[in-house]
Formats: sequence, C-alpha cells, structure tokens
Amino acid sequence: GQQVMQIPQYQHVQEGEDFTTYCNSSTTLSNIQWYKQRPGGHPVFLIQLVKSGEVKKQKRLTFQFGEAKKNSSLHITATQTTDVGTYFCAGGVNDMRFGAGTRLTVKP
Amino acid sequence: DSGVTQTPKHLITATGQRVTLRCSPRSGDLSVYWYQQSLDQGLQFLIQYYNGEERAKGNILERFSAQQFPDLHSELNLSSLELGDSALYFCASSVGLPLDTQYFGPGTRLTVL
Repeated sequence: GQQVMQIPQYQHVQEGEDFTTYCNSSTTLSNIQWYKQRPGGHPVFLIQLVKSGEVKKQKRLTFQFGEAKKNSSLHITATQTTDVGTYFCAGGVNDMRFGAGTRLTVKP
Repeated sequence: DSGVTQTPKHLITATGQRVTLRCSPRSGDLSVYWYQQSLDQGLQFLIQYYNGEERAKGNILERFSAQQFPDLHSELNLSSLELGDSALYFCASSVGLPLDTQYFGPGTRLTVL
C-alpha cells in the first residue's frame, strides 16, 4: 500500500548546526504535512504543502515540496535546544499516512 | 491544548485482559483516527472513523476494534492483551475532509504486565 518513507531515523546535532529531514513517496502525493512531537508530548501540526515545488518558511524552519510531489524536506537553520523532538511528515492521496519520523537531539 | 481529550491517561493491566480507550474529538470535527506508538517508534495508523462509519483501516490487529458513537466520541477496544501491546495510543480528530489537518490528543499510555 501507500507508504511514506522518512530519513534519517535519528539526527544528533550541536546547537547552532543545521538539520534536515527528508520524506519520500513512491506515488504522487496530493499534499504533505509536517508535525512535531516533543519528548513526552503528542504530535502537533506544523504546516501543509499542496503545490508542486512549494516552499514555505516558519522562522528558522523551511519546508519544501518536490516538483513531482513525491518528496519533501524540512530544514532547520541554526538549531536550538527547543527544536528537540521527533519530526513527522504525513502524506497521502486519499488518506494521510505518517512517515516513521526523524528524532532530533540538540547538544547545547 | 488541541481540544481532543483522551481517557484514561495511563492504564496498567495484565496479559490476556481487555481494555477500552476513549477519545472525544474537537468540537465540530467529524473524523477520528487511532494510532499506536511503541517506544521510540513512529505512528502506526490503526483505524479512522468519519461520522460514525469506518473510513479507513490500517494495521489494526483482529484483537483490536473501534467504534464511533452518535455523539462522535470514539472508543478503541483492545482484547487478549499481550506484552507487545504496551504503547502510547493516540487519538486524533479532523473536520473530515480528505487529507486535512489532524489534531492529536495527549494519548493513553498502556502498560501490559
């Protein structure tokens, strides 16, 4: 069935370094969503991308949707300790399916 | 606070037992989703309901069942529990349009001893 693959599974960075997580699908997606789950918390919606090649920014976070609408990325510039958590992408054609998530840890 | 409530917050039970997890969606949301998250794992989609009807099914075990009631709250029933069923169970709700944003509840942590 439809699957959304996400890499890497884990990423450990020094505070101030950049971070990127990638999401890939074998099928063309109607849209892609990104969620963040803080340690001990629940997933919280960050953003939705719908258009081919779309790029959206939220402060230090940059979200991209690929031209073929089969991949997406989330890039964080100059990470801070408040960025720690697991970042999930979710995409679908008829139903949303979540990737396995990238767990980000930030060393102060 | 997402507006989605889940009870109980924690549940400890023994193998072979049966439990019921409850979820109340955000006001106005018609769709409810159930997810399982094992330790340090991703979100495993179990099942989705829309306005009382099952809409989509994921990797839900036959020992598990769910329903959505006329007041739109939902219950997830887990029976013949095994140690491997220990996990966080999240409920999420949405308006019900395809591919719309999901709002997650705080989760129920189930421990099977």
